[in-house]
Amino acid sequence: QKEVEQNSGPLSVPEGAIASLNCTYSDRGSQSFFWYRQYSGKSPELIMFIYSNGDKEDGRFTAQLNKASQYVSLLIRDSQPSDSATYLCAARRGYQKVTFGTGTKLQVIP
Amino acid sequence: DVKVTQSSRYLVKRTGEKVFLECVQDMDHENMFWYRQDPGLGLRLIYFSYDVKMKEKGDIPEGYSVSREKKERFSLILESASTNQTSMYLCASSLPGGLTYEQYFGPGTRLTVT
Repeated sequence: QKEVEQNSGPLSVPEGAIASLNCTYSDRGSQSFFWYRQYSGKSPELIMFIYSNGDKEDGRFTAQLNKASQYVSLLIRDSQPSDSATYLCAARRGYQKVTFGTGTKLQVIP
Repeated sequence: DVKVTQSSRYLVKRTGEKVFLECVQDMDHENMFWYRQDPGLGLRLIYFSYDVKMKEKGDIPEGYSVSREKKERFSLILESASTNQTSMYLCASSLPGGLTYEQYFGPGTRLTVT
């Protein structure tokens, strides 16, 4: 079992819709969770982090964490074609190490 | 603005060659990381360093070594390149500690070993 699992997609949503990206993790000792966006041919860049159960909102993005279910999600409201990218979920345990999932490719259809 | 730079965007090497990939960050970050990214396998940690001359193995250290002689510079060394080391290599840096530190990534080096 992979430590951080994501559906590879592609996930296709129409412009203006809500995109829902999901991630599960196996290590119950994971303390904090990150969502990175990676455009094709580019490096990952951080969108959001979350470490408490519940929701965290930042503009059009909402991260959700459920530690009991070992589940993290990212909602993107009012999806735009510029949101088309691969979204990487990552989990951190301990002082330094971060484990990444394989990413979900999102396509926003105009 | 944090800047992480890598010595080459594209590199082609022959099997058996010794390969050096260089990474430099300008934000005085303690932590530096080397990953490789392959389709279907995602980002996998090769090595990381949390201080000068300190290093820790990641998930896939075999066939690689690292060097950190100065805080801003972290080098990845392929002692004897093999075709299965053809990949995108990403360097990252971050501040130490805390729950929420962000990793800043360099532009990547696409290495092809023939």
